[in-house]
Amino acid sequence: DQQVKQNSPSLSVQEGRISILNCDYTNSMFDYFLWYKKYPAEGPTFLISISSIKDKNEDGRFTVFLNKSAKHLSLHIVPSQPGDSAVYFCAATVQGAQKLVFGQGTRLTINP
Amino acid sequence: GAGVSQSPSNKVTEKGKDVELRCDPISGHTALYWYRQSLGQGLEFLIYFQGNSAPDKSGLPSDRFSAERTGGSVSTLTIQRTQQEDSAVYLCASSASVPAGISPLHFGNGTRLTVT
Repeated sequence: DQQVKQNSPSLSVQEGRISILNCDYTNSMFDYFLWYKKYPAEGPTFLISISSIKDKNEDGRFTVFLNKSAKHLSLHIVPSQPGDSAVYFCAATVQGAQKLVFGQGTRLTINP
Repeated sequence: GAGVSQSPSNKVTEKGKDVELRCDPISGHTALYWYRQSLGQGLEFLIYFQGNSAPDKSGLPSDRFSAERTGGSVSTLTIQRTQQEDSAVYLCASSASVPAGISPLHFGNGTRLTVT
């Protein structure tokens, strides 16, 4: 039972354009969401998060949008840079719980 | 300061052998997690430690898997009688406090386990 789904295994975007990574979840109890970024041979690193009381959170070039009714969130990166090429994981949790549930990841490639 | 350290970085073992994977969390981090990533899959939760106790072992796939944490620091994940389906990257993470969502997890670089 895949509670967090990233349906696009890969995405290719031109440098300078906007990258949009999508994530869907099925568990309506989830109320806190995170994005992690992973380079090859390294562990994931925390990127940005959002609580369900918000519908948007912004940090520099990164913005996360949450649509609770659709159980959907997205990560926008603008402008995209070559260093953004990585695998991005969406994760969800219930506040107060001890574990994160991760999606399968989306490999983002930024082309010069 | 040092990040989360995992050893070995790579392990190749024969089917049926036992393996031990080690994790040194960030100093002072009370929470420790083990996840694994199989080829083409997301991160699968295995077990969570708060101090030396494991309140949530729900992700351990079988009784061949066990983990312990000593001194509120180092953790060891042991897989007995390894099978080919155990091949994956095993990731350890620690965080300064709970819950997991509020205090971001800091991951190590993982141990790539290959069972031949």
